[in-house]
Amino acid sequence: AQRVTQPEKLLSVFKGAPVELKCNYSYSGSPELFWYVQYSRQRLQLLLRHISRESIKGFTADLNKGETSFHLKKPFAQEEDSAMYYCALSNFGNEKLTFGTGTRLTIIP
Amino acid sequence: DVKVTQSSRYLVKRTGEKVFLECVQDMDHENMFWYRQDPGLGLRLIYFSYDVKMKEKGDIPEGYSVSREKKERFSLILESASTNQTSMYLCASSQGDRGLTGELFFGEGSRLTVL
Repeated sequence: AQRVTQPEKLLSVFKGAPVELKCNYSYSGSPELFWYVQYSRQRLQLLLRHISRESIKGFTADLNKGETSFHLKKPFAQEEDSAMYYCALSNFGNEKLTFGTGTRLTIIP
Repeated sequence: DVKVTQSSRYLVKRTGEKVFLECVQDMDHENMFWYRQDPGLGLRLIYFSYDVKMKEKGDIPEGYSVSREKKERFSLILESASTNQTSMYLCASSQGDRGLTGELFFGEGSRLTVL
């Protein structure tokens, strides 16, 4: 069975400091990994996906198959980054997503 | 912009009542999903549908059923609501197998309280 683990429920970081939100997964097939974000009073939305290898709002995430991780990183946190972040996994070509339990990121001014 | 609309933002029901949660998407998406979102548990998939009149169980289907009579509409039904079904319910849709795998578009959510 596929599983996504986000070990931190809460994470507080000072503005300007680096941010890393951890995500580990277990899956035996060919996984696709995603980060979704939910800002206060907004809908849950896609932040980035590993196949795109893109940087969105300064965030990047690298899929490490050896460590089965997909950590989300940003070198300099901004106050607008405060939000709930979910890591998610799907089987390649299948749009059924399994989500982690989420990490609430708070940026301290 | 894709729009996923959930008809009820807040509902309060009594134990044993039948509850309908409606979801409509306006982008001709093939796939639709119902998740529940609980603090500390994240999002858990209840049911999903890849086509009209088609449904598949997710990870926590017990106590729920769904209906998809039209492509744009996906309804979640609680036959007999219980207090442990108090939650935020999120509907989502996605385009299908056309190269945009994985991007779900979510509604604003329906917060259900069962007394």
